[in-house]
Amino acid sequence: DGGITQSPKYLFRKEGQNVTLSCEQNLNHDAMYWYRQDPGQGLRLIYYSQIVNDFQKGDIAEGYSVSREKKESFPLTVTSAQKNPTAFYLCASRGQGLQNYGYTFGSGTRLTVV
Amino acid sequence: EDQVTQSPEALRLQEGESSSLNCSYTVSGLRGLFWYRQDPGKGPEFLFTLYSAGEEKEKERLKATLTKKESFLHITAPKPEDSATYLCAVRGNRDDKIIFGKGTRLHILP
Repeated sequence: DGGITQSPKYLFRKEGQNVTLSCEQNLNHDAMYWYRQDPGQGLRLIYYSQIVNDFQKGDIAEGYSVSREKKESFPLTVTSAQKNPTAFYLCASRGQGLQNYGYTFGSGTRLTVV
Repeated sequence: EDQVTQSPEALRLQEGESSSLNCSYTVSGLRGLFWYRQDPGKGPEFLFTLYSAGEEKEKERLKATLTKKESFLHITAPKPEDSATYLCAVRGNRDDKIIFGKGTRLHILP
C-alpha cells in the first residue's frame, strides 16, 4: 500500500544535540511538507519542497534544516538552535493536478527534550 | 492574510445527538477547503475536499458543506468511535501552502 512512513515514532534529544526525523513516501508525490503540532496551536509549517533539490522555509523554520535529494525522502533535522523542540512532528505529501490539493500525512514523530 | 477559525474548540455530545462543527475562513482565491480527522498520537486522516460554494460531500455519518465564508461538518447520530479532533484547512491561490485551523475536539459519550 502506498503511504508516508515517519520514523522513529518517539525520539528523545539531549540539550545541544542535533536529531534527524525521517520521512519517506512511495506515493510518487512531488511536494512534501513538515509541520509541527503543539497543544492548542494547530499545525504550523516548518519547511516544504515542491521538487527534488529545492525547498522553501515555512512559518517557523528557525532552528530546523531539511534536504530533498530524492523524490521519496524529505528528512528534517532539528538543530541545537531550536530552543523549544518538544512537539509532535508531522510529514505530509501532495500529488499534482486539480484533484490533488489535499495532503496525505504520516503517523508522526513525537520529539521530547530530556 | 489567509486565516482559518474553527469553533467550538471542544464539543461533548451524547451518542446519537447530532450537531455541527464550524470552520470560518478568509482566503485569497479559494482552491480547496479540506476536512481531516485526527486521533490522539496519530497523523490527520483526510475526509473531504470542497472547492466551491454550495458543494456538499458525505461519508457515513459526516456531511461537509461550503459557503463563501464558512464550512460546516455535520455529524448525524454520532457514535463513540467518532470521537477525535476534526481539522479544517484551506488553500488559496497565493502559494502552495495549506493553512490549518486549530481544530475541534469532539467527544461522543456512550
